[in-house]
Amino acid sequence: SQTIHQWPATLVQPVGSPLSLECTVEGTSNPNLYWYRQAAGRGLQLLFYSVGIGQISSEVPQNLSASRPQDRQFILSSKKLLLSDSGFYLCAWSPHTGKNNEKLFFGSGTQLSVL
Amino acid sequence: QKEVEQDPGPLSVPEGAIVSLNCTYSNSAFQYFMWYRQYSRKGPELLMYTYSSGNKEDGRFTAQVDKSSKYISLFIRDSQPSDSATYLCAMSSGMDSSYKLIFGSGTRLLVRP
Repeated sequence: SQTIHQWPATLVQPVGSPLSLECTVEGTSNPNLYWYRQAAGRGLQLLFYSVGIGQISSEVPQNLSASRPQDRQFILSSKKLLLSDSGFYLCAWSPHTGKNNEKLFFGSGTQLSVL
Repeated sequence: QKEVEQDPGPLSVPEGAIVSLNCTYSNSAFQYFMWYRQYSRKGPELLMYTYSSGNKEDGRFTAQVDKSSKYISLFIRDSQPSDSATYLCAMSSGMDSSYKLIFGSGTRLLVRP
């Protein structure tokens, strides 16, 4: 079965510091990968998605970037964090093709606090 | 106007009640509809998946889609305190360029023992 791992679960970082959040998927190949952000009491905002190694699409211009160095690895980064980057970050995957490729499966999330 | 509208709640019900959660949407191209359950500080969990119109039942959960009214519902029968969570609706057109689900903002449900 497929599993998705996301870490760390909680992160407190000072303003101006760098960020690296990592997500890996097991049990499938060539998944679509996504990074979402969820502000408190708000819906899910899609930040980036990737349909293959090195292929990144950005949905919202911002202080963040994403990379996909391996088929099942997705990284969210920032060179200098802003206060507004605080939030709950979620990694997700979906099958690349096939009957159920609309279904998203989420990781456990990272609560980022920028102070 | 948002593409997907969902009442944020909170919705508070006694244990054993039937719960009705709803979303409306504006894009008639949507044809894949999902409900996710999210416990506090956890990732959303896929609960129900429906294609096009109609009903789908899974245990205590029933998902309904009315494409003519652009309205979807999730019913929870015999609600339990463990059902207390935020419920997010999500939908997609399934078009080749649309790998993205559009989410509602979520309805917070509290089931009182």
